[in-house]
Amino acid sequence: QPVVTQEPSLTVSPGGTVTLTCGSSTGAVTDGHYPYWFQQKPGQAPRTLIYDTRNKFSWTPARFSGSLLGGKAALTLSGAQPEDEGDYYCSFAFNGIGVFGGGTKLTVL
Amino acid sequence: DVRLVESGGGLVQPGGSLRLSCVASGFPFNNYWMQWVRQAPGKGPEWVATANPDGSEKYYLDSVKGRFTLSRDNGERSLNLQMRSLRVEDTAVYYCVGTGRYASWGQGRPVTVSS
Repeated sequence: QPVVTQEPSLTVSPGGTVTLTCGSSTGAVTDGHYPYWFQQKPGQAPRTLIYDTRNKFSWTPARFSGSLLGGKAALTLSGAQPEDEGDYYCSFAFNGIGVFGGGTKLTVL
Repeated sequence: DVRLVESGGGLVQPGGSLRLSCVASGFPFNNYWMQWVRQAPGKGPEWVATANPDGSEKYYLDSVKGRFTLSRDNGERSLNLQMRSLRVEDTAVYYCVGTGRYASWGQGRPVTVSS
């Protein structure tokens, strides 16, 4: 089973920019891994922010963007807000098999 | 709006069985892969199983293979997970999750395996 790796924790200042990354033990991440990004706040179900690397939902704030960066999937938050604090998870598909990363705890401070 | 409503789950002893169901609305269910994802207390999400649009392809987490069976009924717009030989480590909230532009999450159903 592939392993998906995320930064355990990151801190960003209000109004600042931060990039979360998601790597794969199998090598470079591509669009063919269908990267997803999820946000989870305490006591709530996860919510999908990004699908297929860079596509947003109607509820995804414009300050979030997805990309591929240096062989990894990346989620960039530009202009962090206090409400962006929470846990962020990525996932990939490996020929039908889904794998989640361990999550990044994002603090806005 | 996309809506995924799960039912089933509950408390069961180790070795027991449970069934989870998910009824979808608000999107072309027949055309999309669907999946179950679980989250154990204090842990991150863990993918469990996925079915392709017509149900002819199914994929499972290694630890549930042979114990869990995924099925879908496109006429009923439902995705079901039959869970057998349940183990303590299967304890989690189980979510029905869409894919692609319809990757919404259901509200989740708790499954507790305990003696």
